[in-house]
Amino acid sequence: QVQLVESGGGVVQPGGSLRLSCVASGFPFINYAFHWVRQTPDKGLEWVAVISYDGRITDYTDSARGRFTISRDDSQNTLYLQLDSLRVEDTAVYYCARDAQPGYGDWLDYWGQGTMVTVSS
Amino acid sequence: DVVMTQSPGSLAVALGERATINCKSSQSVLYTSNNKNSLAWYQQKPGQPPKLLIYWASARESGVPDRFSGSGSGTDFTLTISGLQAEDVAVYYCQQYYNFPLTFGGGTKVGIK
Repeated sequence: QVQLVESGGGVVQPGGSLRLSCVASGFPFINYAFHWVRQTPDKGLEWVAVISYDGRITDYTDSARGRFTISRDDSQNTLYLQLDSLRVEDTAVYYCARDAQPGYGDWLDYWGQGTMVTVSS
Repeated sequence: DVVMTQSPGSLAVALGERATINCKSSQSVLYTSNNKNSLAWYQQKPGQPPKLLIYWASARESGVPDRFSGSGSGTDFTLTISGLQAEDVAVYYCQQYYNFPLTFGGGTKVGIK
């Protein structure tokens, strides 16, 4: 069955860095685009970034552009999100999610359980 | 950005009754190329990630009970739960995928009356 398992969250000081990972299984990883979506009680669900099936296309929400980097390692069936220059407002549960279609701007048909990132001094 | 506005913020419905959730987009999400609306609905239970229910505004995801239905076009959409069950207690979100950034509604919390 399709599984997405995130890891890498934790507590970090403002200005610090973290790298989130999402290991996929149960389907051909190379055929799909992936997204990172974060959730907070205040702002709800917020889309963060996307990477196309071949890694050639990436896009970010404005607040993440220039600070976060999405990437993938198809040999490891793993999606990454490098978080740099973290801010208090980046505190959230971060989910990886699979794009349902061959493209990269669609509905999200499978989600991981999420990993918590806390940015605090 | 396409702003998604859901209403109500919460509602309580008796078991077996109908629950209706509304979602309005700040611009049309209708793809003229395929005449489909780029609108999805998700269900999120406490401590769990969102689960896909509906895509293309009215297409039910495999395995989703048929008491869940989606309707609407352009900027106004509705998720209907016909015959609320106890396991349907959750927060429901709409999401547009017409363009980037993908955006979500603020959520509607459904409980039992």
